Amino acid sequence: NAGVTQTPKFRILKIGQSMTLQCTQDMNHNYMYWYRQDPGMGLKLIYYSVGAGITDKGEVPNGYNVSRSTTEDFPLRLELAAPSQTSVYFCASTRISGNRETQYFGPGTRLLVL
Amino acid sequence: DQQVKQNSPSLSVQEGRISILNCDYTNSMFDYFLWYKKYPAEGPTFLISISSIKDKNEDGRFTVFLNKSAKHLSLHIVPSQPGDSAVYFCAASAGNNNDMRFGAGTRLTVKP
Repeated sequence: NAGVTQTPKFRILKIGQSMTLQCTQDMNHNYMYWYRQDPGMGLKLIYYSVGAGITDKGEVPNGYNVSRSTTEDFPLRLELAAPSQTSVYFCASTRISGNRETQYFGPGTRLLVL
Repeated sequence: DQQVKQNSPSLSVQEGRISILNCDYTNSMFDYFLWYKKYPAEGPTFLISISSIKDKNEDGRFTVFLNKSAKHLSLHIVPSQPGDSAVYFCAASAGNNNDMRFGAGTRLTVKP
């Protein structure tokens, strides 16, 4: 299993540009998540999905959109990049174990908006 | 609103000694707590967890202690090894992972 994969690893965007961060998992997990991590801060949840066709907002959804057309893929879309979106983005998926869940994270995408 | 706080941004210990990483939380509804370990250029990896019905969970060299009355948890690593050098995040959730809150992380350095 490749686990959770993310592309690209690093990207520089100009203000107002758009891009899609890709996330794929091959573990047949139903739940997928997008987080951002700013310097000196913990991870904050942007969007999550409990299954194909279902998405919902997390703590910091503004400026982002997601879709979940398949179980494997959960892309994150930035329509109008802003400097405040400079961050490291992590995708995660969940395996249910016992009563609670354990998240598996991708390696991250580092985004710089100038 | 920082509901999960790790007040020590960094910690340095000698190989073979105990590492103690601390975490405080404010939301009394949190009932599940996790520690993640993160190496540079990698995503966080799950380390150990504890449910609020317990006050201790042990897995090899790693032990997590939960003090619900103080809203405090700690991760003990003993003996510490150089390979343990990483950033450690504590996280907490209430009911499900859809509202998991993370601390800012503590960078642990274990010196040979």
